Amino acid sequence: GAGVSQSPSNKVTEKGKDVELRCDPISGHTALYWYRQSLGQGLEFLIYFQGNSAPDKSGLPSDRFSAERTGGSVSTLTIQRTQQEDSAVYLCASSSGQGSRDTQYFGPGTRLTVL
Amino acid sequence: GNSVTQMEGPVTLSEEAFLTINCTYTATGYPSLFWYVQYPGEGLQLLLKATKADDKGSNKGFEATYRKETTSFHLEKGSVQVSDSAVYFCALDDYKLSFGAGTTVTVRA
Repeated sequence: GAGVSQSPSNKVTEKGKDVELRCDPISGHTALYWYRQSLGQGLEFLIYFQGNSAPDKSGLPSDRFSAERTGGSVSTLTIQRTQQEDSAVYLCASSSGQGSRDTQYFGPGTRLTVL
Repeated sequence: GNSVTQMEGPVTLSEEAFLTINCTYTATGYPSLFWYVQYPGEGLQLLLKATKADDKGSNKGFEATYRKETTSFHLEKGSVQVSDSAVYFCALDDYKLSFGAGTTVTVRA
């Protein structure tokens, strides 16, 4: 079946602009995660959704970052007033939501470059 | 909090050599442990996992055993191929994944 998809695959933006990154999880997966992969920080957790709720937003680096999920499916990560340090690959993952033994399946990522 | 410490790279090997990448973890409770792999230009893929102590995960000739007594999950492969060149990440799952820093492995023909 279809895996996790993300769009766009690449995004170049100017400092100070807002960007939206989209994630389509595997159909039927109730849990959705956003991570960030950057050279200096490695792979970092950003936010976790169970259904449309986000019980853990602890990894969002600042209030410029927000995310929502609608219909228990698609999720959008929004970064306002982008800064150069936001440049990274943003990864989305989904799992069946059955518990901590779940496997998370990752999308191909969105490479964000802030000029 | 939970954390993973992974052997620093890069690692360069010849084909058919033995590969081991060390991974140790700190966690409360009994997390699941994973190895993910990222091939050049591709996304993260699950390589193998283990969900409880003494479990052995295996896939594509790679193996790792969940050792609670040493809090380790070392990755091994007996005979690597050029196609195994990739970045390998150890991770633990406490509903969210905590990753190690990644180890870049290059296998030369």
